[in-house]
This record gives sequence, structure tokens and C-alpha cells, in this order.
Amino acid sequence: DSGVTQTPKHLITATGQRVTLRCSPRSGDLSVYWYQQSLDQGLQFLIQYYNGEERAKGNILERFSAQQFPDLHSELNLSSLELGDSALYFCASSRGTGIPTDTQYFGPGTRLTVL
Amino acid sequence: TQLLEQSPQFLSIQEGENLTVYCNSSSVFSSLQWYRQEPGEGPVLLVTVVTGGEVKKLKRLTFQFGDARKDSSLHITAAQPGDTGLYLCAGSLTGNTPLVFGKGTRLSVIA
Repeated sequence: DSGVTQTPKHLITATGQRVTLRCSPRSGDLSVYWYQQSLDQGLQFLIQYYNGEERAKGNILERFSAQQFPDLHSELNLSSLELGDSALYFCASSRGTGIPTDTQYFGPGTRLTVL
Repeated sequence: TQLLEQSPQFLSIQEGENLTVYCNSSSVFSSLQWYRQEPGEGPVLLVTVVTGGEVKKLKRLTFQFGDARKDSSLHITAAQPGDTGLYLCAGSLTGNTPLVFGKGTRLSVIA
């Protein structure tokens, strides 16, 4: 158990819909990262928040958005869903800003299926 | 184009055998990490290497960072069924950039 929690574990929805994925970081961790894992693309970095502020952005689609709240939990919002958005979505947290010595702890993931 | 190429993609071996998996790039990385991911779980960090030529050992696992900091390898001695999983390498191009992951090597160790 990494200490990072993600809900829900599974999500099945239809194309065009909007969903929200939730992540609670480990106690004391200030950074939250979101990743998407698919069979063809592998694990891809989407976005990072540090203490409530956006810190780094990866290949995140405009239909996707995220935020980190004052209690440090984070939500990833996916809208206008397409079949290709079906994937595993992971949240990770770390103590600091994300330098190499700052270990990222991954949650168990949310499996999103878009039908 | 994948920034980090891992090989082989799949590997199935008998318990007790040795194996090496590779992580290669044409880019220079400030650091490289190796993770293991089991089904239904998130990746777990095994090691971080930051110096060219660095070798780190974790029990039966030996990690090496290439001299030019463009590649890395993971060697497992006397593999056990518990080593089964997806091994991912990830790198940071500079000290402050997000991690880039390879697609992984899926290892199966048969008892």
C-alpha cells in the first residue's frame, strides 16, 4: 500500500460524457501527478500540481483538466469522452517538487472504459 | 517516437535463470529510474541512478546507468516467480522536468 488513494477503481461510461477521478496523496506530500497508461502509448505524464499550483504540464488534452484543493487532494476531470480515452489513470504523490531524489508513490489507478 | 526504448518487450524465463533488460535513448538524461508494476497496481520505484557509469544493487537486481547517461540496464540474478511483473524505466531530461516512461518489459518467471 503506497498510501495514495484513488477513487473510483473502475468507471464505465459512454462517449461524450464527463467524469471526475479523485486522488488523495500520502500524508505530508505536496505534489500530485496524473498519468495515463494505455497499451499502445505506455505510461504518459499528464499534469503535476504542487501545493495547489500547477507545476508542470505534459500531453494533457484540452478536454481534460485538473486541480489540487487546499487539503491537497486532487481531481482529474475528463470531458467529451472518446473511445480512445479508455485507459488506466494513475495518480502519484511526492514530498517535494519532483526532483530526481523526490520519490513518486503511485496509487492503484482508476480503470476508465468508454463505450 | 518513444524517447525511451525498452527491450525486450516480453520475456519468459525459468526460475533460477539470469536476465538483462535494457532501456535506451538517443537523449541524455539527468537521471533514470526503474519501476516494477504488478497487475492491478501502480508502479513501485526500485532505484534512481543519477551519475554516468553508476551501478546500484538491490539484492538480486543490478542497475547500471550508461557512461553517456543515454541508457540503462537491469540485470536479475537467479530470477524467482516473485520477480514477475512489468519493468518500466523512466527518465528526467533535466533536473526539473517530468518523468518520461518507456513502454516496459513484461517479465514472466515460471516456477
